[in-house]
Amino acid sequence: NAGVTQTPKFQVLKTGQSMTLQCAQDMNHNSMYWYRQDPGMGLRLIYYSASEGTTDKGEVPNGYNVSRLNKREFSLRLESAAPSQTSVYFCASSEVTRGNTEAFFGQGTRLTVV
Amino acid sequence: GNSVTQMEGPVTLSEEAFLTINCTYTATGYPSLFWYVQYPGEGLQLLLKATKADDKGSNKGFEATYRKETTSFHLEKGSVQVSDSAVYFCALRGGSNYKLTFGKGTLLTVNP
Repeated sequence: NAGVTQTPKFQVLKTGQSMTLQCAQDMNHNSMYWYRQDPGMGLRLIYYSASEGTTDKGEVPNGYNVSRLNKREFSLRLESAAPSQTSVYFCASSEVTRGNTEAFFGQGTRLTVV
Repeated sequence: GNSVTQMEGPVTLSEEAFLTINCTYTATGYPSLFWYVQYPGEGLQLLLKATKADDKGSNKGFEATYRKETTSFHLEKGSVQVSDSAVYFCALRGGSNYKLTFGKGTLLTVNP
């Protein structure tokens, strides 16, 4: 089982460039999430999608946009990358029919903006 | 809003030592509580969870008990191994909230 798949695994961008991080899950989950992980900050929620067709801002949405393309796929776009967006990005999915279900994470995308 | 506070690391132990990583939370209602583990270069994996007060989650020798009276969910292991070296995250999901809230993570290093 693939679970949650993120691409690419590594990326280097120049300041001002744009890119899209891709995420797909094969567990038929309704909810999907994008987090960023920075040293000493833990994981911070960027955006989430409670179900297909909906998206909502998390703690740190500025500089990002998302698209819930279908139930499987949830992409994160950086329109004009900045050095402050250097981070490790994780996509996750969960089935939230009950509040106690855990999230499943992808392997992460390590992004460096120079 | 919801928040999670866990002990800051790094924590360095010798093999077979006892481990405790403290986690306390603030949430309305009755959240579900989780411990995730992140091995070097990998994503997060669920280690254990508890969904109501006094529940004990356990997995791979790790345990944590949901203490509503002290709003805590401390992670313990009686005898750590080198392979337990990783970052550990405490997290909660509150009621019908779709979002997981994480602590800042605790880096554990176990030396032979």
